Amino acid sequence: SELTQDPAVSVALGQTVRITCQGDSLRSYYAGWYQQKPGQAPVLVIYGKNNRPSGIPDRFSGSSSGNTASLTITGAQAEDEADYYCNSRDSSGNHLGVFGTGTKVTVL
Amino acid sequence: QVQLVESGGGLVKPGGSLRLSCAASGFTFSDYYLSWIRQAPGKGLEWVAYISSKSSHINYADSVKGRFTVSRDNAKNSLYLQMNSLRVEDTAVYFCAREVTYYNDGIEGTRVDPWGQGTLVTVSS
Repeated sequence: SELTQDPAVSVALGQTVRITCQGDSLRSYYAGWYQQKPGQAPVLVIYGKNNRPSGIPDRFSGSSSGNTASLTITGAQAEDEADYYCNSRDSSGNHLGVFGTGTKVTVL
Repeated sequence: QVQLVESGGGLVKPGGSLRLSCAASGFTFSDYYLSWIRQAPGKGLEWVAYISSKSSHINYADSVKGRFTVSRDNAKNSLYLQMNSLRVEDTAVYFCAREVTYYNDGIEGTRVDPWGQGTLVTVSS
């Protein structure tokens, strides 16, 4: 099972960017979204219908429809420049999940 | 503060072995599933293995099945990954992470939080 993401997107400072994640398993399971900055471990930013862990700014939001999950950054800041990965169960519901291919977000 | 700290990485020759450890603190360790996830240099994330709270459910990625063994010691709040028959392609940063299954509107999801800082395993002759 695969989760496909666009390799790279760019956004002007203060503008809005949407990152998508496509895969068959997303028809049955929610996605989680992770931010990873260079040399650091990934950090969970969105999970489920649209849940943010404590400490994650409310400019991050999530949505899903059919086989696609989306992460939206509204009013992107310089510190949001990072790699973003989605994850989910695989199509068979295997507890060993699957990660998306990753999207590099550049804030201009 | 919930924290995971990996150790045990290093340089090893192809065919060699290495044991990674992950020390947990700040939460009830025995209540949670745990996972090992790796990231090869410049590449994406790959789920390697998971283990349930009481070690009754374990699974591995096909790429490591038969070579890696995940285990835990709930009395010591520790997670382990025994890696045997290592290959060049196993070179990666290995993260341990806590996993939680949740339900929103009856739909299942999984969240991985927190992650350790990672430990680098380099397989090279």
